[in-house]
Amino acid sequence: GAVVSQHPSRVICKSGTSVKIECRSLDFQATTMFWYRQFPKKSLMLMATSNEGSKATYEQGVEKDKFLINHASLTLSTLTVTSAHPEDSSFYICSAPAPGLAGVGSYNEQFFGPGTRLTVL
Amino acid sequence: GENVEQHPSTLSVQEGDSAVIKCTYSDSASNYFPWYKQELGKRPQLIIDIRSNVGEKKDQRIAVTLNKTAKHFSLHITETQPEDSAVYFCAANRQAGTALIFGKGTTLSVSS
Repeated sequence: GAVVSQHPSRVICKSGTSVKIECRSLDFQATTMFWYRQFPKKSLMLMATSNEGSKATYEQGVEKDKFLINHASLTLSTLTVTSAHPEDSSFYICSAPAPGLAGVGSYNEQFFGPGTRLTVL
Repeated sequence: GENVEQHPSTLSVQEGDSAVIKCTYSDSASNYFPWYKQELGKRPQLIIDIRSNVGEKKDQRIAVTLNKTAKHFSLHITETQPEDSAVYFCAANRQAGTALIFGKGTTLSVSS
């Protein structure tokens, strides 16, 4: 249990286009999901907190109009990179805390998706 | 907000030696401290975690210690093996369900 999936795993797009990345909790509900960005040989940097039924909370320096987040249901959050540019090329990873799953992990444990490699040409 | 510092950034050891990675955090309200191992292009994999009401936790060759007063926690890997080579991240968060803040990572190389 406690599986998070992401789609697509890899995407290549042209500069100026928009790309949507999906994050799904497959066997549990997540009212909150987190989006991270990871540049090569760097750490995971929190971009935003996705909240089901309300607006996302963005970290300082992250443009909310460029990185659109929609938490459509208790199992799905989407990140849309609008008007992508080469500097947006990165590894995007989502995570979800999974409370209430006895035997799966501690309440604080978070489960990560496999990541999406975005390359903008 | 929370800030997590991690040292060293690279660590090279011989197979069988021990490896220690240290992290400090800034937010005294943080209460959960996981360690992740990440291989290239993959998701972070939880290897051990500790809560603020515990000082030490062990799982076979891996242990984590926490000093709340000093606001630092450390990962100890004993009897290292080449397959332990990877990037390791420490992280912290304040309360259940909140985002993790990550350290900058340590690249561990274990040579045989």
